[in-house]
Amino acid sequence: DAGITQSPRHKVTETGTPVTLRCHQTENHRYMYWYRQDPGHGLRLIHYSYGVKDTDKGEVSDGYSVSRSKTEDFLLTLESATSSQTSVYFCAISESARGANEKLFFGSGTQLSVL
Amino acid sequence: SQKIEQNSEALNIQEGKTATLTCNYTNYSPAYLQWYRQDPGRGPVFLLLIRENEKEKRKERLKVTFDTTLKQSLFHITASQPADSATYLCALDPLSGGYNKLIFGAGTRLAVHP
Repeated sequence: DAGITQSPRHKVTETGTPVTLRCHQTENHRYMYWYRQDPGHGLRLIHYSYGVKDTDKGEVSDGYSVSRSKTEDFLLTLESATSSQTSVYFCAISESARGANEKLFFGSGTQLSVL
Repeated sequence: SQKIEQNSEALNIQEGKTATLTCNYTNYSPAYLQWYRQDPGRGPVFLLLIRENEKEKRKERLKVTFDTTLKQSLFHITASQPADSATYLCALDPLSGGYNKLIFGAGTRLAVHP
């Protein structure tokens, strides 16, 4: 998966607890993204980053925060998990935002269950 | 409203036939459209990108067309094989801002039977 590691791969947590998902890349790509995937929906963008400490909101950012202190790491935090945040979370990277290299490379995903 | 739609029903075909998957969109004017393959329990894998000024793109047994008038892209797999069985996602760039914010369809599952 193009040098992208997501951890953990599976997590079960309780409503109201904080959860942090980690994405680590070895490709030195500038752009990193967090998506969630739910049955019947396409992948939906939560947050993205265009450089260290530079992040912005995506389509479904409510209830999520992110941080990027190093090029290789992008963290997604659920401050207080809710059952509606049960989903599969994918991290993705891209070399550029426009042009010939805008294709995304995805990690293997994190299955998160909030009970 | 803006939508990107793929057939939610699985496509079942016989090995050796051509599979054709459809991606329709409304209220977007994308500069390009991408197709990805996703296997169960894995992340999507990029297959092809086609730009608005390209009518057709090919890669081995794959062919993608892009009709900006019909607002539709077709994805073809010729001489299909059981190994082609997967979910195929289309994604477009809505050109909203300077960063890659691809909008994905929900995908169509393809099953190729021997």
